[in-house]
Amino acid sequence: RKEVEQDPGPFNVPEGATVAFNCTYSNSASQSFFWYRQDCRKEPKLLMSVYSSGNEDGRFTAQLNRASQYISLLIRDSKLSDSATYLCVCPNTGGFKTIFGAGTRLFVKA
Amino acid sequence: DGGITQSPKYLFRKEGQNVTLSCEQNLNHDAMYWYRQDPGQGLRLIYYSQIVNDFQKGDIAEGYSVSREKKESFPLTVTSAQKNPTAFYLCASSISGQPQHFGDGTRLSIL
Repeated sequence: RKEVEQDPGPFNVPEGATVAFNCTYSNSASQSFFWYRQDCRKEPKLLMSVYSSGNEDGRFTAQLNRASQYISLLIRDSKLSDSATYLCVCPNTGGFKTIFGAGTRLFVKA
Repeated sequence: DGGITQSPKYLFRKEGQNVTLSCEQNLNHDAMYWYRQDPGQGLRLIYYSQIVNDFQKGDIAEGYSVSREKKESFPLTVTSAQKNPTAFYLCASSISGQPQHFGDGTRLSIL
């Protein structure tokens, strides 16, 4: 089993739709997680941090399910500008080496 | 403005040549990282460094070398032993347990 696994997609959704991605992780000792957004030919940028209580920022909600070892990202009212690749990130227990998922591609269409 | 600066933005390598990619940060982060990304693929860790004068191999270190003589700097050398160097190279830095911040990358191609 990979340390961090994501559905590669692509997810094709219309504007205004709600879409959710899951990411499973194997290191049960991990305490915090992150979602990054990567636009085509650009560097990844931090979207949200995910702690035990989850996190919400406008149209974006991130949740952590420790029992099943997955984190989720929910995007409500999708915009064309949300089209990107979303990377799930899991720091290891030592805190320095970080495992990136391969990413989930999202296309939002008019 | 604090951040990570990678240079050059584009780099071309000739057969048998070593090239060095620069990465400088002024965020006062202890840890620095180098990743390689191939088209349509995820990030793969080449090397990382937790403190000055110390670094560890990542998942694909063969054909690459690094140094960490200063906290702010973590240059990556792509040696002639790396037979398929064409890729997008990303440098990042972080504090332990916190999110990594990325530079805007260097695109390396073979002439």
